[in-house]
Amino acid sequence: AQSVSQHNHHVILSEAASLELGCNYSYGGTVNLFWYVQYPGQHLQLLLKYFSGDPLVKGIKGFEAEFIKSKFSFNLRKPSVQWSDTAEYFCAVNAKGGSYIPTFGRGTSLIVHP
Amino acid sequence: EAEVAQSPRYKITEKSQAVAFWCDPISGHATLYWYRQILGQGPELLVQFQDESVVDDSQLPKDRFSAERLKGVDSTLKIQPAELGDSAMYLCASSLSHNSNTEAFFGQGTRLTVV
Repeated sequence: AQSVSQHNHHVILSEAASLELGCNYSYGGTVNLFWYVQYPGQHLQLLLKYFSGDPLVKGIKGFEAEFIKSKFSFNLRKPSVQWSDTAEYFCAVNAKGGSYIPTFGRGTSLIVHP
Repeated sequence: EAEVAQSPRYKITEKSQAVAFWCDPISGHATLYWYRQILGQGPELLVQFQDESVVDDSQLPKDRFSAERLKGVDSTLKIQPAELGDSAMYLCASSLSHNSNTEAFFGQGTRLTVV
């Protein structure tokens, strides 16, 4: 079974700072990878996804993530955060060839100070 | 934009009572998931349906939890009897299919408080 680790549980940044959130997964086969975001009071929304192809994927609101297969990682980055990026960020993985059940990490709470 | 509908948004119930949650997935989505999210943690899968069939319910506490999707569209998750430890957010999600490259779309969730 796959599992997902998010190493940063709480991150506090000032506006314009750069962001990188770590995500590692454990699964021996081919995976699909996702980052979801949950803004305060809102539902989980897809930020970006990787299925195949270019390992550097761009999502909404200036976010990007890089899939490094050798490191089983899919880290999320943003060069300059805004106050409106304050939210919970969840990394998720599902295994190709199986029943594609998305498995989530425990999430990272990001607070951006204006 | 199509959304996953859930109701109620909030539910307070007493221990040992029965409680039920409803979910209407995005039209045309064959796969439906129920997740439980405890505060400070990520969503954990309870049950996955493909149309009306259960694909995975290995993490569903079957002594008290049940889920159905009789016509392969909307779904109900029931807890009977509720316990204090069941207090959590219950999330419903849907996707086009369970065996293809597609993402899950989530509803607003039902926040359950058991007192």
